[in-house]
Amino acid sequence: ETGVTQSPTHLIKTRGQQVTLRCSSQSGHNTVSWYQQALGQGPQFIFQYYREEENGRGNFPPRFSGLQFPNYSSELNVNALELDDSALYLCASSLVSEGQFFGPGTRLTVL
Amino acid sequence: KQEVTQIPAALSVPEGENLVLNCSFTDSAIYNLQWFRQDPGKGLTSLLLIQSSQREQTSGRLNASLDKSSGRSTLYIAASQPGDSATYLCAVSRGSNFNKFYFGSGTKLNVKP
Repeated sequence: ETGVTQSPTHLIKTRGQQVTLRCSSQSGHNTVSWYQQALGQGPQFIFQYYREEENGRGNFPPRFSGLQFPNYSSELNVNALELDDSALYLCASSLVSEGQFFGPGTRLTVL
Repeated sequence: KQEVTQIPAALSVPEGENLVLNCSFTDSAIYNLQWFRQDPGKGLTSLLLIQSSQREQTSGRLNASLDKSSGRSTLYIAASQPGDSATYLCAVSRGSNFNKFYFGSGTKLNVKP
């Protein structure tokens, strides 16, 4: 059984640029959730995808968008990067009503 | 809006101690509660999941209990070891068909040899 994987591990961008983060869900899981974790804080929910449809969204602006593919992998896209977007981005996969399993995260630094 | 609080924010104990980490939440209408461990700069490792009809889960030296009516969960770690040093996070989910988790800020545990 393959766990949740994320790419890239680290990323450095400048303000105003766009970024795409990727996540492969654990085998058998049909739900992917994305979280943003600032230093010293708990993860904050960005959005969730269930069977390729958005299934809920947290308090993040529209420049945060996502996709889920037929194999249940997912992308997080962030446009017009701001300095405050610097954080660890975590992807979690699950079955829709069960516990979540997290990937190692992508560390994004915006300069 | 669901608020999750973890106390204490940091804890330093000598090796071998039994310890309790606390998690409280404001809305008792939760579905699942999950405890995680996070090492510095890493992702979250699931420790224990307490599902909607359950009140307790155990795995090795770890035991988690849940009291929905009082809005509290505790994580008990027996015979702590230096390898247990990490940040421990609790998270609660809202509904059966929408698996959004609300997280606390964590308890940073340091177990001294």
